[in-house]
Amino acid sequence: GNSVTQMEGPVTLSEEAFLTINCTYTATGYPSLFWYVQYPGEGLQLLLKATKADDKGSNKGFEATYRKETTSFHLEKGSVQVSDSAVYFCALSTDNYGQNFVFGPGTRLSVLP
Amino acid sequence: SQTIHQWPATLVQPVGSPLSLECTVEGTSNPNLYWYRQAAGRGLQLLFYSVGIGQISSEVPQNLSASRPQDRQFILSSKKLLLSDSGFYLCAWSVWGGSNTEAFFGQGTRLTVV
Repeated sequence: GNSVTQMEGPVTLSEEAFLTINCTYTATGYPSLFWYVQYPGEGLQLLLKATKADDKGSNKGFEATYRKETTSFHLEKGSVQVSDSAVYFCALSTDNYGQNFVFGPGTRLSVLP
Repeated sequence: SQTIHQWPATLVQPVGSPLSLECTVEGTSNPNLYWYRQAAGRGLQLLFYSVGIGQISSEVPQNLSASRPQDRQFILSSKKLLLSDSGFYLCAWSVWGGSNTEAFFGQGTRLTVV
């Protein structure tokens, strides 16, 4: 079946540090890939997405590239801020009937001033 | 534009009491609807999904049930809550059959069973 694996953390960084959160997936067919962010006490918000191989999703300084050859979608940001502290979820979607989203376990990021 | 409403935001219920959480979506038709649970410090667990009125699929055996009485209404219920039902419950919707569209989440319900 489809699955998503990501580093669970917690990840603690100083402000302005470089961030990488690894994500790899297993899926049949050609999934779309997503990163969601969850701030404390809130629901999930879409951060970025990529729908085909070699696409790069980007938003708010975050980037991730859809790598089909390595089945990965690693999240990166060059300089994190305290306000980036949140839980980040990698997810995939396949065009199957009904359930078509699979989420990773989430990675908690804490950015210290 | 589409919006999703989920309520209540927080809930404290005694063990053995019933539960009803409601989720409604506006601005779209025939969405896929989902209920997820997020236990403290853990990832998302898909509980139920629905592709249409009256069509419910359950992912895990549990003390909960779901219903979809209307196209844009999704209800999560329990007849008798257990302590282990505590968690953060999230409703979500997506476009039916679209693999390149994202899931849109409600703000969640924090349920504490005491």
